[in-house]
Amino acid sequence: GAVVSQHPSRVICKSGTSVKIECRSLDFQATTMFWYRQFPKKSLMLMATSNEGSKATYEQGVEKDKFLINHASLTLSTLTVTSAHPEDSSFYICSARDMSHASYNEQFFGPGTRLTVL
Amino acid sequence: ELKVEQNPLFLSMQEGKNYTIYCNYSTTSDRLYWYRQDPGKSLESLFVLLSNGAVKQEGRLMASLDTKARLSTLHITAAVHDLSATYFCAANNAGNMLTFGGGTRLMVKP
Repeated sequence: GAVVSQHPSRVICKSGTSVKIECRSLDFQATTMFWYRQFPKKSLMLMATSNEGSKATYEQGVEKDKFLINHASLTLSTLTVTSAHPEDSSFYICSARDMSHASYNEQFFGPGTRLTVL
Repeated sequence: ELKVEQNPLFLSMQEGKNYTIYCNYSTTSDRLYWYRQDPGKSLESLFVLLSNGAVKQEGRLMASLDTKARLSTLHITAAVHDLSATYFCAANNAGNMLTFGGGTRLMVKP
């Protein structure tokens, strides 16, 4: 149980285009999902917290107009990188929180999406 | 603001040896997590520690938590090459979000 999927796993795009990444909780409902960014050999940095049916909460320094987050259902959150530039190239990881008490409110992580902007 | 520090950041060890990774956090947290990350992959959950004195073991890995010292340790016993990976600890902050340590890159040499 507690499986989170991401799609696509890898994407290469041209500078100036927009890229959408999907995060799905496959076997549980997630009222809260999180989006992280990881640079090579670095730790995970939280970008934003996505709550179903409401606006996402962005961390300081993260441009909300550049990284659009939508959490339209209890099993799906999307991150759209708008007008992507090479500096947006990174590994993007989502997680979903299982609210059932049995999982201790734990976050379950997706497999990640490698974005390369040319 | 919760801060989480791991050390060492890089660890090269021989197979068969023991070692400990340390994770310090700056403010009260109600739970501590350990994750493993292989190159190019996402995080794999290893342990969730919920209370002071908690100890959990899985194979050659054992994690413990001292909430008074705000310290968690991940002990590796008789390391094998398959344990080579990056290990992250993360603590839960007041907003119920995770703050990650910087990671420990472990290389186990034959």
